[in-house]
Amino acid sequence: KAGVTQTPRYLIKTRGQQVTLSCSPISGHRSVSWYQQTPGQGLQFLFEYFSETQRNKGNFPGRFSGRQFSNSRSEMNVSTLELGDSALYLCASSLEGSGNTGELFFGEGSRLTVL
Amino acid sequence: GENVEQHPSTLSVQEGDSAVIKCTYSDSASNYFPWYKQELGKRPQLIIDIRSNVGEKKDQRIAVTLNKTAKHFSLHITETQPEDSAVYFCAASWGGGNKLTFGTGTQLKVEL
Repeated sequence: KAGVTQTPRYLIKTRGQQVTLSCSPISGHRSVSWYQQTPGQGLQFLFEYFSETQRNKGNFPGRFSGRQFSNSRSEMNVSTLELGDSALYLCASSLEGSGNTGELFFGEGSRLTVL
Repeated sequence: GENVEQHPSTLSVQEGDSAVIKCTYSDSASNYFPWYKQELGKRPQLIIDIRSNVGEKKDQRIAVTLNKTAKHFSLHITETQPEDSAVYFCAASWGGGNKLTFGTGTQLKVEL
């Protein structure tokens, strides 16, 4: 079974631009979460989607948004990029959908550098 | 919201020794506590988890203990090996989906 796939793996943007990251979950997983990983802050929760609906949201500004499609694939978008948005963005899928928290299967991440 | 503190930030042990990493959480409603291991340049992977109705769980050389009263939980690794060298993250969740609040990580180094 294929794992969680994220594209692109690396990207460089300049301040003020926007970026869209894509995540394909493991087949059968309907929950997709996004995390921002930085050396100083660790893993910070962005949002979670389940059955095309945002189920949970972290404490990030409105410049960060996401969506999920009917095939469970998810995208996240960051508009008006700032230098501080440079980070590894990790997507994780989970089979658990009943409301309990289950094992997260992470992708390899998209490393964003903002110049 | 939930806050998870993790200590120590770095830990160096000799091969064969035990390693202990501790975490505290703030939200008494949290009921799920996983531990993830992230090797250099790789994705985080779940190594063990525990739910609030259990006080201890063990899987070979790895064990996790939970003290709900004190709101802290710990990871214990016995007979450490060089391949145990990695960053370990604790996390907490109150349910209602797959939102995890992570600690800031512990860099474990197992020296020969």
